[in-house]
Amino acid sequence: DTAVSQTPKYLVTQMGNDKSIKCEQNLGHDTMYWYKQDSKKFLKIMFSYNNKELIINETVPNRFSPKSPDKAHLNLHINSLELGDSAVYFCASSPMDWYGAGELFFGEGSRLTVL
Amino acid sequence: AQSVTQLGSHVSVSEGALVLLRCNYSSSVPPYLFWYVQYPNQGLQLLLKYTSAATLVKGINGFEAEFKKSETSFHLTKPSAHMSDAAEYFCAVSANAGGTSYGKLTFGQGTILTVHP
Repeated sequence: DTAVSQTPKYLVTQMGNDKSIKCEQNLGHDTMYWYKQDSKKFLKIMFSYNNKELIINETVPNRFSPKSPDKAHLNLHINSLELGDSAVYFCASSPMDWYGAGELFFGEGSRLTVL
Repeated sequence: AQSVTQLGSHVSVSEGALVLLRCNYSSSVPPYLFWYVQYPNQGLQLLLKYTSAATLVKGINGFEAEFKKSETSFHLTKPSAHMSDAAEYFCAVSANAGGTSYGKLTFGQGTILTVHP
């Protein structure tokens, strides 16, 4: 039973389109994240939600809109896709930890290619 | 602000040889430090973490890392490499900032480990 699952795994689309990536975790964690891994494998946090509330927003363009309908789900919607949005997007979750010591559990990633 | 530098984007060892992956960090507050491993087309998996208890931390698959404050380092080692260790390894730091970190990890750029027969 997959702990953190993302769909779709692969997404190929044209510039200007709108797309969504869904994420679900069955670990009972309070906190979920979106990380972006670029072509050089550099990983950077985009958003973090704790119990459906946004707690980290790392200067991501407002074309990216996360939504958390409940604490087990965190979806990412991207409007007006640009070439530079091509990357692997990882969802992750962790138990709530006020001090940053908690382990992150990652999904397998969603590879987005914008043509 | 915090940052992580992994020295060497590629490390190649023979099976059975020592594995040493280098990580140096910068943090204005006491850090928490992590090593994650990523196999091809998979997400990251935690190998080990330092959270201000013992400075020598043991992780899964025979890996360990030592926190050296004076050197601001957290190098990852394994005495004897196995073919299955071939993967990309990421060092990460989280600021121990008393309630404001929320798992915000800053990652290094990764080191690809190749293991030769």
